Amino acid sequence: DARVTQTPRHKVTEMGQEVTMRCQPILGHNTVFWYRQTMMQGLELLAYFRNRAPLDDSGMPKDRFSAEMPDATLATLKIQPSEPRDSAVYFCASGRSTGSGNTIYFGEGSWLTVV
Amino acid sequence: AQKVTQAQTEISVVEKEDVTLDCVYETRDTTYYLFWYKQPPSGELVFLIRRNSFDEQNEISGRYSWNFQKSTSSFNFTITASQVVDSAVYFCALSEASGTYKYIFGTGTRLKVLA
Repeated sequence: DARVTQTPRHKVTEMGQEVTMRCQPILGHNTVFWYRQTMMQGLELLAYFRNRAPLDDSGMPKDRFSAEMPDATLATLKIQPSEPRDSAVYFCASGRSTGSGNTIYFGEGSWLTVV
Repeated sequence: AQKVTQAQTEISVVEKEDVTLDCVYETRDTTYYLFWYKQPPSGELVFLIRRNSFDEQNEISGRYSWNFQKSTSSFNFTITASQVVDSAVYFCALSEASGTYKYIFGTGTRLKVLA
């Protein structure tokens, strides 16, 4: 049963520390999305990639967040330095894009707490 | 600009009751895709259904049914004979076929099914 895999599942870190979240998309999927979920803002799109190229990262705070796809099986989201307001659930999703509108499948999320 | 509105923040029903979750969308595209996802208490986002803008046929899957009406820009979700396991947050999402690959989510409706 293919699924998107995210690590870590839970992370508690101190303010100012670097946090790296990793995502392994479903094999064969060429679009990868990073979403952030908070009670106040709901699901926010941070960045997404197609064929490893970043298409849009306008939803991401540029000063401290960065997203990359070193290869087709790994996407990373890094926060440096982390702040308490970054506490949220970060979801990775992937899809097979032969055009827009393909279904995207989510990982279980990385629950981040910055204290 | 695309937008998805789920006006119902929270709904409570008693087990075996039918319940309808509303979703209203805005888009300028003539081709677009609509989705429903379920987020149970465990936190993962589970894909339920995908529908393209050219297919207005209603769909039924077991106790779940979806009513898509382009005239009112709505894509409503009905659960028949609700069960406690249906308790979750349900998200409606929209993707336009304009090549941006963006998926925009509504704010979600929390459904509580009481035994």
